[in-house]
Amino acid sequence: EAQVTQNPRYLITVTGKKLTVTCSQNMNHEYMSWYRQDPGLGLRQIYYSMNVEVTDKGDVPEGYKVSRKEKRNFPLILESPSPNQTSLYFCASSLTLAGGDTQYFGPGTRLTVL
Amino acid sequence: DAKTTQPPSMDCAEGRAANLPCNHSTISGNEYVYWYRQIHSQGPQYIIHGLKNNETNEMASLIITEDRKSSTLILPHATLRDTAVYYCIVRPLYGGSQGNLIFGKGTKLSVKP
Repeated sequence: EAQVTQNPRYLITVTGKKLTVTCSQNMNHEYMSWYRQDPGLGLRQIYYSMNVEVTDKGDVPEGYKVSRKEKRNFPLILESPSPNQTSLYFCASSLTLAGGDTQYFGPGTRLTVL
Repeated sequence: DAKTTQPPSMDCAEGRAANLPCNHSTISGNEYVYWYRQIHSQGPQYIIHGLKNNETNEMASLIITEDRKSSTLILPHATLRDTAVYYCIVRPLYGGSQGNLIFGKGTKLSVKP
């Protein structure tokens, strides 16, 4: 089954403790992306990747890192999480970023930073 | 900023057609209209997209006006499970960073028994 998976689905952590949220897709997609969703602010893009070793900032990249060492995986790294990074995070992928290529989203990771 | 305008909320009776409007008056000739929906904190789900012609799939129909400045998503027989926030998004035909999805506030559709 074609899908985007995220792990963990739920995470409670403390300020400053490094964490990684994994994202994996099995559709051989070149493009992957991370979003965060907060009440009243909607879905905002954090980082995206057009292909392996090619990443770029989205609208809200501060406090996050990403890497794209292989096509199927696009982990989101929080080196020193802070409470303002408490949010619902979504990973997405598509074949390319062309307008006709549909983006598929993962189920989400709910992160709480205390 | 999102290039679309949608009503913040709509209600629909179960079993009836839900017609969700979207205004995209500044759309250019090489931009698609996409529709996604998000059911209570789940990942956004693709519904349908179109360029010029009306489109239909197993989930919905998309009606785009001739001038392409507005469109309507039609769920022909809405069920309670269609209660969600529906996003109308404009995306360029060709790749590049402008193809990133930009989500607005969408329309919260409530399907009532």
